[in-house]
Amino acid sequence: DAGVTQSPTHLIKTRGQHVTLRCSPISGHKSVSWYQQVLGQGPQFIFQYYEKEERGRGNFPDRFSARQFPNYSSELNVNALLLGDSALYLCASSLIPGRNTEAFFGQGTRLTVV
Amino acid sequence: AQSVTQLGSHVSVSEGALVLLRCNYSSSVPPYLFWYVQYPNQGLQLLLKYTSAATLVKGINGFEAEFKKSETSFHLTKPSAHMSDAAEYFCAVSDNAGGTSYGKLTFGQGTILTVHP
Repeated sequence: DAGVTQSPTHLIKTRGQHVTLRCSPISGHKSVSWYQQVLGQGPQFIFQYYEKEERGRGNFPDRFSARQFPNYSSELNVNALLLGDSALYLCASSLIPGRNTEAFFGQGTRLTVV
Repeated sequence: AQSVTQLGSHVSVSEGALVLLRCNYSSSVPPYLFWYVQYPNQGLQLLLKYTSAATLVKGINGFEAEFKKSETSFHLTKPSAHMSDAAEYFCAVSDNAGGTSYGKLTFGQGTILTVHP
C-alpha cells in the first residue's frame, strides 16, 4: 500500500514568489495535517484539515493557506516567500483527527528560498 | 498549552551500549505522548505512543519508553544500540485543544543519536 506521498520532493524559489505543495494521504485517511521543519528544529504545526474543512491552524502568517479536496488530497500554498520560509514541509495523514490517532508522515518537500 | 523538552540535542553511544533519550512534557491534562524517528532526508516514523494504558510502552526496533507522571517524563530507551539506530529522534505531545481534540502534535527540538562502532 502507498504511504503518504508529497510532491515535489525539492524545489527552489525566489523571494516574493508563491509556491504550492501537494500531499496525497494514505487511502482511507480523511485527515491531513501540515508541518514546517526548519533545519535543526522540531516540526511546527501549520494546519489540519478533515473532511475538507480546516480544523486547526498554527501560529503562521496569512501568507500560508491550505485546502483539502474531495479525494482528501491537500495543497499547502505560501505567498510572498521569505528566506525564512526555507524548510522541510511535512504532510501527515490520519484516519480521523484525534489525540491518540497515529499520524503517518510523508517524506516531505524541501523548499529553498533564495 | 502543551510543551515538550528534550534534554540533549546530541547523544553519542557505542554499538551495543544502552541508549537513553530524555523527554519531559508539560500538559494541563493527561497527555498522549509519542516518539518519532527521522532518518536523513526522510519523514517521521512512529516508534511508539503512550495513550494512558500501560506506563511502559514497547515500540518498534527494540525501543521502549516509560511514562512517569510524577517526573513528567517519557524517556526513550534501548538496551543495545545498533549502527542502524543513528538518526534524529523527536518526542511529541498531542494537543487536547479544549473540546476539539484534533490531534495537533507539539514536538521537542529533537535529539541526534550517533552510534560509534
